[in-house]
Amino acid sequence: DAGVIQSPRHEVTEMGQEVTLRCKPISGHDYLFWYRQTMMRGLELLIYFNNNVPIDDSGMPEDRFSAKMPNASFSTLKIQPSEPRDSAVYFCASSPDGGETQYFGPGTRLLVL
Amino acid sequence: GQNIDQPTEMTATEGAIVQINCTYQTSGFNGLFWYQQHAGEAPTFLSYNVLDGLEEKGRFSSFLSRSKGYSYLLLKELQMKDSASYLCAVFSGGYNKLIFGAGTRLAVHP
Repeated sequence: DAGVIQSPRHEVTEMGQEVTLRCKPISGHDYLFWYRQTMMRGLELLIYFNNNVPIDDSGMPEDRFSAKMPNASFSTLKIQPSEPRDSAVYFCASSPDGGETQYFGPGTRLLVL
Repeated sequence: GQNIDQPTEMTATEGAIVQINCTYQTSGFNGLFWYQQHAGEAPTFLSYNVLDGLEEKGRFSSFLSRSKGYSYLLLKELQMKDSASYLCAVFSGGYNKLIFGAGTRLAVHP
């Protein structure tokens, strides 16, 4: 298996622009997690899905952030409009067993100027 | 509330042993995980403890005391490639969430 796939790997954008991050989980994994990692706040869970349904979005910082999972093999995290403080590494992870064993993608490094 | 504490940085010498401590206070506990993260890379799973005691896996061992809210990761025969951040994480089963500590940045010197 190719593992969790994320795209793009790097994104540089200007403040106010829309940013869309993409994730393809490992086939057969029912859980998908979006994390954000910064030096200041470490690794934070933003939202997770079970069988394509959002279960807990309490970590989503504000309404500018939204996430979808239209099918079992694809999820997006969207930021609109983006702000410089959104600059971070965004990881997607998938799990076959309820979240205990999580496999992380390579991350998307986002820089908002 | 959720609180996971671990030292920010540690240094050690190649070939030596290092112990990275983690204390936690979380609402709900279904296991403690250690992840390794090299600079610029994704976290990768190292170990998992759900019962008290020591779990050994090659050069790495992890210990858990649930009554004390305490865990440590023990790295033996340190190698230069062990220089990385080590993340302690508590799995809160009721919420299906992994809650991560800020990580300990380990530097291994020759």
